[in-house]
Amino acid sequence: EDQVTQSPEALRLQEGESSSLNCSYTVSGLRGLFWYRQDPGKGPEFLFTLYSAGEEKEKERLKATLTKKESFLHITAPKPEDSATYLCAVRPQGGSEKLVFGKGTKLTVNP
Amino acid sequence: DTGVSQDPRHKITKRGQNVTFRCDPISEHNRLYWYRQTLGQGPEFLTYFQNEAQLEKSRLLSDRFSAERPKGSFSTLEIQRTEQGDSAMYLCASIQAPRLAGPLDTQYFGPGTRLTVL
Repeated sequence: EDQVTQSPEALRLQEGESSSLNCSYTVSGLRGLFWYRQDPGKGPEFLFTLYSAGEEKEKERLKATLTKKESFLHITAPKPEDSATYLCAVRPQGGSEKLVFGKGTKLTVNP
Repeated sequence: DTGVSQDPRHKITKRGQNVTFRCDPISEHNRLYWYRQTLGQGPEFLTYFQNEAQLEKSRLLSDRFSAERPKGSFSTLEIQRTEQGDSAMYLCASIQAPRLAGPLDTQYFGPGTRLTVL
């Protein structure tokens, strides 16, 4: 069964304190790993897609990396506006291309 | 900005009532997905459409749930005889599926419909 586990469940950082979020997965043929950001009461907002081990992508203070078993979302010098829940999802092989999500990591950045 | 839109944003209903939600995907996207998200969980797949055809349904989609996409554009999700366990955020996402075995695209989500069943 396709599974995604995210850790930690919650993370509190001080502004400027860099850290990483983890997403480990088991999937029957990976056709993409996705990171989304979700603010309270809103839909997920797309951040990154990674397709193969060794791939990295960056956007502002965020950097996503991928290995064969896990992905990391590195947050460098975070700001309070980075506070949100970060969701990781995988797209297994199969016609529907549905996403299988983890439970998310709730990030709080204090000023 | 013509992103995915959903209506209504919030719905409060009494147990046993029927409710219907609407999703308008990004205009050129031919695939539309419905997900459900409960508090503290990630979204879970419910069903998806390729144009007007409903091609897969999750076992989470009980007989009380029905979804349509009659003209291959907007979609509706109806829940009959609502139960308190149906309280959740219902999310819609769309994607342009490649015609050939080309690069895979990203699903873009709407703002969701928050359902509360009293």
